[in-house]
Amino acid sequence: GQQVMQIPQYQHVQEGEDFTTYCNSSTTLSNIQWYKQRPGGHPVFLIQLVKSGEVKKQKRLTFQFGEAKKNSSLHITATQTTDVGTYFCAGVPYYKYIFGTGTRLKVLA
Amino acid sequence: EAQVTQNPRYLITVTGKKLTVTCSQNMNHEYMSWYRQDPGLGLRQIYYSMNVEVTDKGDVPEGYKVSRKEKRNFPLILESPSPNQTSLYFCASGWAENSYEQYFGPGTRLTVT
Repeated sequence: GQQVMQIPQYQHVQEGEDFTTYCNSSTTLSNIQWYKQRPGGHPVFLIQLVKSGEVKKQKRLTFQFGEAKKNSSLHITATQTTDVGTYFCAGVPYYKYIFGTGTRLKVLA
Repeated sequence: EAQVTQNPRYLITVTGKKLTVTCSQNMNHEYMSWYRQDPGLGLRQIYYSMNVEVTDKGDVPEGYKVSRKEKRNFPLILESPSPNQTSLYFCASGWAENSYEQYFGPGTRLTVT
């Protein structure tokens, strides 16, 4: 079946370092979304990418959607302690959502 | 306040005892969905509904039932719970104004002994 792989599974960084997580889908996606889940919380929507090659920025966060619409990345510049949490990508082939396994980010002050 | 509510938030039950987890949204969303979250496996979609009376299976539907009789409500039913259904469950709703964004409820932690 359709799968969305996400790497790395864990990442520990010093505050101020950059962080990147990658998603790869086994099939072409109509769009891809990114969510953040704080420890003990629920997933919260960050962004949606729809177009091939699309790049979007939200302050220190940069999101990319690959040309083939099968991969995506989230890059955080100069991490802060508030960035702690698990970041999930979600591929949306049609009406289903296929979430990646998530990348758990720890930021050391 | 726009929100997705789930009840109960915590539930401990025994194998075979039917249970229902309720989900309600007040945002007039067409789309609703249930997920389970297990360590190392991320979020896996159980069932989804694109509109009233329209539901379809996600990736892990076995052992679960849903119904969508009203737009705002989407209960998850476990007819005969088993220990492998011990998990954290999230309800979500979404799809408005050309966005597939989903809003998640606070979660229900279910333990089946």
